Amino acid sequence: KAGVTQTPRYLIKTRGQQVTLSCSPISGHRSVSWYQQTPGQGLQFLFEYFSETQRNKGNFPGRFSGRQFSNSRSEMNVSTLELGDSALYLCASSLGGGQGSYNEQFFGPGTRLTVL
Amino acid sequence: SQKIEQNSEALNIQEGKTATLTCNYTNYSPAYLQWYRQDPGRGPVFLLLIRENEKEKRKERLKVTFDTTLKQSLFHITASQPADSATYLCALDAGNNRKLIWGLGTSLAVNP
Repeated sequence: KAGVTQTPRYLIKTRGQQVTLSCSPISGHRSVSWYQQTPGQGLQFLFEYFSETQRNKGNFPGRFSGRQFSNSRSEMNVSTLELGDSALYLCASSLGGGQGSYNEQFFGPGTRLTVL
Repeated sequence: SQKIEQNSEALNIQEGKTATLTCNYTNYSPAYLQWYRQDPGRGPVFLLLIRENEKEKRKERLKVTFDTTLKQSLFHITASQPADSATYLCALDAGNNRKLIWGLGTSLAVNP
């Protein structure tokens, strides 16, 4: 099976712009989670989508949004970029079963976003 | 709220020795705990999962223990190799909402 893919791998934007990142999960995985990773904060959970619905959300401002399509592919959008948004954005897919499932995450390579 | 603590200092060991990494949590016992490996510039890779009713789990040279009394998990790599050099992250479930909470990771360097 092909792994999780993310595009683009690298992105440079300026403050105030917006950006859209894309994630294709492993075939058969219905859950897609997005994380922001920075050296000081580690992996911070942004949100999770399951069957086109946002199932969980982290503590990020409304500038961060996402969606999931019927084929489980997901996009994440950040509007009005700030310098502090510079980070590695990781997408992870999982089978996403119900309560009691163990939520093993399969990560993509990430998108390195630099905001100037 | 639940917090995870992993050794922030890098761990340097000699090839062939056993590396032991620690993951401590502060609040309720999670239903399960996971360990991942992350190489620079890449996404984390799942290694092992241990459930709350399990004391120990093994996979090849890897061993994970889970002590709910101490609120601690230990991750061991036996017969370590330079290729084991990476950052190791622990993650645990945040309760019924299925979120995972992540530690900051511990950097391991295995010297030849």
